[in-house]
Amino acid sequence: QQPVQSPQAVILREGEDAVINCSSSKALYSVHWYRQKHGEAPVFLMILLKGGEQKGHDKISASFNEKKQQSSLYLTASQLSYSGTYFCGTERGSGNTGKLIFGQGTTLQVKP
Amino acid sequence: GAVVSQHPSRVICKSGTSVKIECRSLDFQATTMFWYRQFPKQSLMLMATSNEGSKATYEQGVEKDKFLINHASLTLSTLTVTSAHPEDSSFYICSANLAPDGNYGYTFGSGTRLTVV
Repeated sequence: QQPVQSPQAVILREGEDAVINCSSSKALYSVHWYRQKHGEAPVFLMILLKGGEQKGHDKISASFNEKKQQSSLYLTASQLSYSGTYFCGTERGSGNTGKLIFGQGTTLQVKP
Repeated sequence: GAVVSQHPSRVICKSGTSVKIECRSLDFQATTMFWYRQFPKQSLMLMATSNEGSKATYEQGVEKDKFLINHASLTLSTLTVTSAHPEDSSFYICSANLAPDGNYGYTFGSGTRLTVV
């Protein structure tokens, strides 16, 4: 079952912050976050594993609430390069099956 | 970092013909690779899991006789779209996991834009 992302689209000015949410109706083993530029393949941002803590690098971080079966991606002080479509990918069950089911995507546009 | 090379990047073919897409792991061995399809402005949909030395496993609704997957070596998986029709036009992407038990996520190939005319 496909995870649900919100919002569907975000428009920001450079330097502003954004939060993208991902929720699932099924228990999750892990949550992945990817960014895809138009016409290109998705690029891995980070993975959060069950039992793991919040992760982040640079100005992008994420959290994973296992009980609520939700994850959030935080983009702070956004840059023009952050523009693209963000997908969360979830792995269900108890193992690292590799079968990622992606959310419908959140389109982020950062304007100067 | 780990690189997955996918070819061709774009292909146009006539209805009824077959198209082969290659996915190679360049600096690591991938016993498992994954094939996704993405229609314009939509999400990536997992089509099948390619297993080295054994049959691929297909997701529900994906025709295994139409989308032939071969994973003959630890570095190469191929997807052949047989008897292609215009509705098969899509962006096909492969992926592999560098460290199945680690925190590295999945590396994607650059994708193949298939247009069937």
